[in-house]
Order: sequence, then C-alpha cells, then structure tokens
Amino acid sequence: QSVLTQPPSVSAAPGQKVTISCSGSSSNIENNYVSWYQQLPGTAPKLLIYDNNKRPSGIPDRFSGSKSGTSATLGITGLQTGDEADYYCGTWDRSLNAGVFGGGTKLTVL
Amino acid sequence: EVQLVESGGGLVQPGGSLRLSCAASGFRFSDFAMSWVRQSPGKGLEWVSGISGGGGGTGYADSAKGRFTISRDNSKNSLYLQLNSLRADDTAIYFCAKDHSRPFLGDGSSWHHWGQGTLVTVSS
Repeated sequence: QSVLTQPPSVSAAPGQKVTISCSGSSSNIENNYVSWYQQLPGTAPKLLIYDNNKRPSGIPDRFSGSKSGTSATLGITGLQTGDEADYYCGTWDRSLNAGVFGGGTKLTVL
Repeated sequence: EVQLVESGGGLVQPGGSLRLSCAASGFRFSDFAMSWVRQSPGKGLEWVSGISGGGGGTGYADSAKGRFTISRDNSKNSLYLQLNSLRADDTAIYFCAKDHSRPFLGDGSSWHHWGQGTLVTVSS
C-alpha cells in the first residue's frame, strides 16, 4: 500500500493529452515539493519534474506538473508511442521522515 | 557526466547480509544527498534510505529501520547500504540515486540521477 495514490493505468491516442494524478496528505504533498519520474521497461527511472513544476534540462515542455492541496498532477501533451512507460510521483513525508512514491501509473498510447 | 554504478548484489539466504556499494563520478559528491530506492519484481518504486551530503543526517523507510544501515565515504565518492537480517520480501533491484540539487534530506528531495541498479535475491 503506497503512501501516495495513483491510478494504475491511463491511456490515450497519439497526439492527445493525458493527465496522471497523485493523491497524498498534509504530511507529504500538501507541504512538500512533488517530483515525477518516467520508467521505461528494464531501465532506471528518469526525473521528469521536480519542485512541483520544474523540468530538468533536456525534458521537453510536453511534460508539465502542478500541485493543489494534497494532490499533484502530471500532464503530457502531444503523446508519442515512446511515452509508453510507468510514471511515478514522489515526495518527502514529514511524519514518516522518509521519501515516498506513488504506486505507479502505466501509460498506454493507443 | 554524472555516473552512478552500483555493485554488491547477489543471492543470499534469508537472515543473511549483503553490503551494496555505489561509486559516483562526474559531480562534487559531498554536495548532494544520496538515496537508495528499490523495486521488487513487477512492483513499484520504494524509497529505502537516504543520507545527507555531509553524512550527518540519515533516514530510513519503516521496512529498513533496524536492519539496514546507510553510509557514505566522501573521500572515495562512494555510497553504501548494509543489509542485515534479509527477508524474501527484500528481493529487489536496488538503485542508487543522487538528489537533484540539495545536500540535505527532507522537503524538496527529488532524485535526478540514477544508477542501473543491482539485484538482490533473498532465497534459500
């Protein structure tokens, strides 16, 4: 049971937009920065978004992040087949004094 | 270029021990907090433990408390995770991860660079 809750799967057609939600609580998302990760099969995770809405160098602006209260959202526009992957949200939990991740969302580009 | 290379994984019996290592290069190692994140077969990511850049601050997931110990040697640009009292549910790929920009654990922690992982299998 993950501390952060994500939908198990989402899907959309190429070229469309998709959003992935991440729900937490006041001890994590509401009072901490959120990050998002993409994990392609058989590879290490890749940081897409940090500090709620900032992109590391090299990450295209098709990827965006937002946060409101105890929830955060990852948005991906102009979907490509190469975006098919597992996506995870992450943050720090003050009560646990530990890093926490969501359970992951599998994106299918139909 | 940032590089993180884990080693030390392998097959171990329940109750056994292992020491994982992560060799870092391409950045000023002592300036960044580091973490271990694991992924059991077919499962999601689980943050296991982290340590501040200077080594004075550490954190552990409940699943790791009392059994795992994180440490670092900034003179060797190396991160370690001592795994004791291993159980079958510790079977996972263990990734070493560098914080995006901060030397401390806590608010704002995010994990920018990752190693390729080292597989730990706990089985009799």
